Amino acid sequence: DAGVIQSPRHEVTEMGQEVTLRCKPISGHNSLFWYRQTMMRGLELLIYFNNNVPIDDSGMPEDRFSAKMPNASFSTLKIQPSEPRDSAVYFCASSLGAWGNTEAFFGQGTRLTVV
Amino acid sequence: GQQLNQSPQSMFIQEGEDVSMNCTSSSIFNTWLWYKQDPGEGPVLLIALYKAGELTSNGRLTAQFGITRKDSFLNISASIPSDVGIYFCAGQDSGTYKYIFGTGTRLKVLA
Repeated sequence: DAGVIQSPRHEVTEMGQEVTLRCKPISGHNSLFWYRQTMMRGLELLIYFNNNVPIDDSGMPEDRFSAKMPNASFSTLKIQPSEPRDSAVYFCASSLGAWGNTEAFFGQGTRLTVV
Repeated sequence: GQQLNQSPQSMFIQEGEDVSMNCTSSSIFNTWLWYKQDPGEGPVLLIALYKAGELTSNGRLTAQFGITRKDSFLNISASIPSDVGIYFCAGQDSGTYKYIFGTGTRLKVLA
């Protein structure tokens, strides 16, 4: 199994630009999570999808952030407009089953730098 | 967001030494997970704990689910250079069922 695949691995963008991060979960997994990792705040859950439906987006920082899951094999996290404080590593994770029933497997992350 | 208290924050140890780290929370958790993150990679699951008092091993790693359900411990025996990395605990909140991550323990092993 290829595991959770994220792209791009690195993204450098100017403040104000739109950024789109992509994730392909493990085939057969029906839960998908987006996390953000920073030195100051550690790993924070942004949003959780189950069967392609957003279940909990309480961790999404503000309206500039949006996430979609159009089908079981693809999800995006979009930031528009981006700001320097959005610089972080963004992880996608997937699991088999509903929230908390099974362990989540993480992708390699996208390191975002907003200058 | 809510975080667990994980300690120590970092540690240097000599190869061959045993390592202990722990996580504590004011909330009761249903499940405890321990992850390791290598540089430039995502966290990888090491051990999962599902019952209070449970003690589980994975090779040189041993983890325990605290009896109060508010803490967990991870021990690494006879450390080797490849144990270097950041270790995270994650607890499943009994109310929201969300997994909350600890702040991480950065381990450095001196050969």
